[in-house]
Amino acid sequence: GNSVTQMEGPVTLSEEAFLTINCTYTATGYPSLFWYVQYPGEGLQLLLKATKADDKGSNKGFEATYRKETTSFHLEKGSVQVSDSAVYFCALSVPSNTGNQFYFGTGTSLTVIP
Amino acid sequence: DTEVTQTPKHLVMGMTNKKSLKCEQHMGHRAMYWYKQKAKKPPELMFVYSYEKLSINESVPSRFSPECPNSSLLNLHLHALQPEDSALYLCASSQDLRFAGGAISTDTQYFGPGTRLTVL
Repeated sequence: GNSVTQMEGPVTLSEEAFLTINCTYTATGYPSLFWYVQYPGEGLQLLLKATKADDKGSNKGFEATYRKETTSFHLEKGSVQVSDSAVYFCALSVPSNTGNQFYFGTGTSLTVIP
Repeated sequence: DTEVTQTPKHLVMGMTNKKSLKCEQHMGHRAMYWYKQKAKKPPELMFVYSYEKLSINESVPSRFSPECPNSSLLNLHLHALQPEDSALYLCASSQDLRFAGGAISTDTQYFGPGTRLTVL
């Protein structure tokens, strides 16, 4: 089946620290992989995506590389800011005949302290 | 423009009320989705509409009734809800690109800001 496993949170970091949030997946077929961010009281915003193996998605200093050999899509940022405090969801989407269905990880809450 | 709008932002209703949530997008997307999200949990898929037809219903209770009047609008009609239905309701949309053989593309889903529903 299709599933996403995301590292447990919460994660607390000091400003300017390095961030890694681990994400691994299992999927039938050829998935696309996504990271979404959810700020308090808001909906999900697309952070970055990758549609095939070895693609690197990047946005706002965040990066993730689609690794087929390790079935991973880890999120990284070199220097986090207080404004990055949010919940981060890893997700995958696999083509099917019934619709563009997403499979979400459990989410990782990040708090960045000044 | 990658905006999905949802109204109302907040809704408080009693268990005997009837209310509706609304969602709108103008990106030309032909797939629209309703999700339910409880605090500190990922979104749970409720319904998928593709080309204005219901294509996925994830065994949602009949007190939730979706409607897709046209390709830009999606409604969720609520009736006789329970307190445990209190949650954030998210709408999303995506392209629906159908390939030969029936498979559908894995395009990005764009989410609205959600409606915070409280059932008393």
